Amino acid sequence: DAGVTQSPTHLIKTRGQQVTLRCSPISGHKSVSWYQQVLGQGPQFIFQYYEKEERGRGNFPDRFSARQFPNYSSELNVNALLLGDSALYLCASSYIPGPEQYFGPGTRLTVT
Amino acid sequence: GIQVEQSPPDLILQEGANSTLRCNFSDSVNNLQWFHQNPWGQLINLFYIPSGTKQNGRLSATTVATERYSLLYISSSQTTDSGVYFCAVASDSGYALNFGKGTSLLVTP
Repeated sequence: DAGVTQSPTHLIKTRGQQVTLRCSPISGHKSVSWYQQVLGQGPQFIFQYYEKEERGRGNFPDRFSARQFPNYSSELNVNALLLGDSALYLCASSYIPGPEQYFGPGTRLTVT
Repeated sequence: GIQVEQSPPDLILQEGANSTLRCNFSDSVNNLQWFHQNPWGQLINLFYIPSGTKQNGRLSATTVATERYSLLYISSSQTTDSGVYFCAVASDSGYALNFGKGTSLLVTP
């Protein structure tokens, strides 16, 4: 079975632009979470979705938004990009919120 | 949120050596996971271990939930074990994983 997949792998954007990152969970998993990892730090929680509803949100500004589709895939949107948004964005899936989460390979976003 | 502290922050070993990585957390948890992050950024699941002891080959882990710590043991280390090891926990009141800052391990030939 395929693991968690994310696209694109790498992305370069300019300050002020908008970006959309995509995630497909493991087949059968209904919960998707997004994390941001800046260089030298551990991942930080951004959002969790379960059955297409937001179940949790981390300490991130309203420029960050997400949604989950009927097939349980998810998109993370970031508006008005800042240089500080440059990071590895990781998606994780689990069958339901709470138990063991499995991570995708990430999307590396560079904002210039 | 829950505070997660990992030690040591950096570790250099010769191939064949054993090591112990520690994770302390500040509150009760219902989820604790150990991950290995490879140089390309992929987080690889090592253990899901909110309590008890598990072993997988050369790796084993123990979580003592009542004392709020977990240990990851690596025996007979290999160069491919190099990378960053993260401990992540989630509390009873939420499902978001809180990560420590990681232990950066370098295994030399």
